[in-house]
Amino acid sequence: EDKVVQSPLSLVVHEGDTVTLNCSYEVTNFRSLLWYKQEKKAPTFLFMLTSSGIEKKSGRLSSILDKKELFSILNITATQTGDSAVYLCAVIRGSTLGRLYFGRGTQLTVWP
Amino acid sequence: DSGVTQTPKHLITATGQRVTLRCSPRSGDLSVYWYQQSLDQGLQFLIQYYNGEERAKGNILERFSAQQFPDLHSELNLSSLELGDSALYFCASSVADSPNSPLHFGNGTRLTVT
Repeated sequence: EDKVVQSPLSLVVHEGDTVTLNCSYEVTNFRSLLWYKQEKKAPTFLFMLTSSGIEKKSGRLSSILDKKELFSILNITATQTGDSAVYLCAVIRGSTLGRLYFGRGTQLTVWP
Repeated sequence: DSGVTQTPKHLITATGQRVTLRCSPRSGDLSVYWYQQSLDQGLQFLIQYYNGEERAKGNILERFSAQQFPDLHSELNLSSLELGDSALYFCASSVADSPNSPLHFGNGTRLTVT
């Protein structure tokens, strides 16, 4: 059975801290892994990772994929209260193309 | 703003009723996906349409159906509603049916069945 597992489930930090969110997966015919940020409404796209070992970066956020060990991490440095959200990891399988298989998410809370 | 528009934002209805949720994809996107997000299940894929044709089905109940119209907007029909159908229903769109096309989500329709 395909699995996408995120950890931790919940994380509370203070502004300025650095956090690392984890996503491990076991899926057949893996193609890509995506990270989304969900505040109160729509999940918003952060990164798509297809190749192993290549870091993607956007401001204070960065992510990397390890296809050998079947996991990805999302790093957020110098966290701000606006980073508080649920971070969702999803994978795409080659056989089902655009369809996303989501993990349950990590709830990040950043205190001022 | 993702460019994906969903209506209505909230819907409260009674058990046994039928509702229709509407989605307009981003301009130029041909693929539309419907997802259900509930507290105990997370985001679950329901169904996908590409350029008017059904492309993939996920955990969609027989009481639910969807379609994509020639103008590419999509509707999700939920009938014989049960309390357990209460959830946030998201529509997402992408340019193509490809692993290189990230999905862009609408703000969702919150359905409450009482």
